[in-house]
Amino acid sequence: GAVVSQHPSRVICKSGTSVKIECRSLDFQATTMFWYRQFPKQSLMLMATSNEGSKATYEQGVEKDKFLINHASLTLSTLTVTSAHPEDSSFYICSGWPGRGNEQFFGPGTRLTVL
Amino acid sequence: AQKVTQAQTEISVVEKEDVTLDCVYETRDTTYYLFWYKQPPSGELVFLIRRNSFDEQNEISGRYSWNFQKSTSSFNFTITASQVVDSAVYFCALSEANTGNQFYFGTGTSLTVIP
Repeated sequence: GAVVSQHPSRVICKSGTSVKIECRSLDFQATTMFWYRQFPKQSLMLMATSNEGSKATYEQGVEKDKFLINHASLTLSTLTVTSAHPEDSSFYICSGWPGRGNEQFFGPGTRLTVL
Repeated sequence: AQKVTQAQTEISVVEKEDVTLDCVYETRDTTYYLFWYKQPPSGELVFLIRRNSFDEQNEISGRYSWNFQKSTSSFNFTITASQVVDSAVYFCALSEANTGNQFYFGTGTSLTVIP
C-alpha cells in the first residue's frame, strides 16, 4: 500500500508555544489529506480535511485559528498547533487520499505532550 | 447517530482461544466500503482489510477471517487461535460513496490476549 510519513513522531513542548507536524505522502500524490486527533482510549476524531491549494475544512468544534493546516503540495500537509495548552496533548494522525478509490492511507501518528 | 458501532469496548481472551470482534454499521448508500484496522500500542494504524458493499463473500487470511452480512449490517472480525501479538485496539470503519472519501470510525475494541 501507499506510504505516509509524519514528523516528528513525538514532541514535548511548553504551554504557549506552537508546534508544527508534517505529513508526507511518499509514493503517491495526495489530493486530499485528513487530520485526526485521538485521545487516550478513544477513537480517531476527524479534525479537518484539506485539499491541495485550498483552505482546509474544519469539523465542528475544531478551532481553525488554533489548528492551522497548510496543504501546499500534493505530497505535504502541515498541522500547526498554535499556543498549545495541556488539553491539546493528544495523538495526531494524518492520512492521504490519492484521488481515487475509497481508501485512505494513514501516517504513523505524532504524539504531542504539552507541559 | 453513530454510523459504526463496536459494542465491545474491551475483550480479554487466553492465548489460543478464538475471539470475534463485532462491527455494526449504518448507511443509506448502496455503495460503501468497510475496513478493519489494528492499532498496536505504538499507535500506528495497520490496515487489515477492505470490503466493498457488493462483495459479501467472507474472507480468510491466515488466522483472520471476516464475516460480512448486509442483512444485519455487520462486518465481524474473528481471530482464530489468538496470540499475545494480537493484543491491540481494533477499529472498524465505513466509507460511503456519496460522501466521497470520508471515513467513519467505530469506537474501537481493545483486545488483550493473556499468555
